[in-house]
Amino acid sequence: QVQLQESGPGLVKPSQTLSLTCAISGDSVSSKNAAWNWIRQSPSRGLEWLGRTFYRSKWSNDYEVSMKSRVTVNPDTSKNQFSLQLSSVTPEDTAVYYCVRSQDGHFDVWGRGTRVTVSS
Amino acid sequence: QTVLTQPPSASGTPGQRVTISCSGSSSNVGRNTVNWYQQLPGTAPKFLIYSNNQRPSGVPDRFSGSKSGTSASLAISGLQSEDEADYHCATWDDSLKNWVFGGGTKLTVL
Repeated sequence: QVQLQESGPGLVKPSQTLSLTCAISGDSVSSKNAAWNWIRQSPSRGLEWLGRTFYRSKWSNDYEVSMKSRVTVNPDTSKNQFSLQLSSVTPEDTAVYYCVRSQDGHFDVWGRGTRVTVSS
Repeated sequence: QTVLTQPPSASGTPGQRVTISCSGSSSNVGRNTVNWYQQLPGTAPKFLIYSNNQRPSGVPDRFSGSKSGTSASLAISGLQSEDEADYHCATWDDSLKNWVFGGGTKLTVL
């Protein structure tokens, strides 16, 4: 059974970088059949896909078009996990952040989510 | 504000059939398959329907999906109290080159 677990600080100051990690069990971050995504949810914006990393013959990334300049998703093969970095945060980035596996064109495994508040 | 449009709310009584719509455009729903996710209160979303109308194992056949042109629908028949949740549609957008979601529909079982 595949499980994902988010971790990271619950409070980040404005203008700083939000950093989260997702630990994977039951699958490999290097799987050629999966992609590893970050999705966030807030009452004002609903569910919002941020980006993904995946391995086929090499590592690749895709990012949400409006956030491309601020988002980085990286794999860590030594720890079988992947990370999210979101720079220059504002209170608008306050949300629940989910790490999610996608396979065959849909998001099939979700982490429980971690709430991040941006506030001074 | 969201790329896909869903009604913010829907309701029905136990045993009824309810449908939730998801409207997009030629660059997303019109070209790609639509997935639906159920989010029970206080939990993460769970995938409910994929590839427009396929149910993963364990999802009751009371749940069904369909797509026509640039719109998709989720139907729930034989409504039960445990179906009270938020429902979200999602698909890939070929123009934006990213995943897009609807704003979610809150289903209330009266």
